[in-house]
Amino acid sequence: EDQVTQSPEALRLQEGESSSLNCSYTVSGLRGLFWYRQDPGKGPEFLFTLYSAGEEKEKERLKATLTKKESFLHITAPKPEDSATYLCAVPLLQENTPLVFGKGTRLSVIA
Amino acid sequence: GAVVSQHPSWVICKSGTSVKIECRSLDFQATTMFWYRQFPKQSLMLMATSNEGSKATYEQGVEKDKFLINHASLTLSTLTVTSAHPEDSSFYICAGSPTGGLNTEAFFGQGTRLTVV
Repeated sequence: EDQVTQSPEALRLQEGESSSLNCSYTVSGLRGLFWYRQDPGKGPEFLFTLYSAGEEKEKERLKATLTKKESFLHITAPKPEDSATYLCAVPLLQENTPLVFGKGTRLSVIA
Repeated sequence: GAVVSQHPSWVICKSGTSVKIECRSLDFQATTMFWYRQFPKQSLMLMATSNEGSKATYEQGVEKDKFLINHASLTLSTLTVTSAHPEDSSFYICAGSPTGGLNTEAFFGQGTRLTVV
């Protein structure tokens, strides 16, 4: 049973066309939801951590929001350099348990 | 943010040989290190969790005798793929957690592309 589900699997946007990526999770007692950016052939790059429903964080053209069941990564007026795979992840509750990742959304921004 | 250095970034080896991948935390002490594997267009799948000075905990389906993990210090963890086969070809990524215990934030290495021919 998937604990982290991301949608859409792939997204193609024109430069400047804003959109949102979704991450839904089923773990109880959430201890943080993490967003990462991954470029081809590279390790994930940390973007945001959200801990409680209603929390929002922003970084340049990206804004992450969190509800009790899902998180959104909003991309405002994207540029081609925003093209990447965006991953969300949550930690499980057991001690020393690492992050469980969704399958990611592959974003392509076309000039 | 904290930096995790992983190398080599890519390696090609012959079937049956062993390959060692190193993961170093450069500016923090990583009590816990995680090793992930990622196949093309798939997400990161956890292989094992290692804590400094103790044996690694492997995920179900991951052969501990094939994927040897050593975490001898707070800044270095190694993954050795023994008797590699073509099906072991993948992208291996390590991550270090400066807080240990429950993971609150993990910093990832650059990844190692392993190709077994």
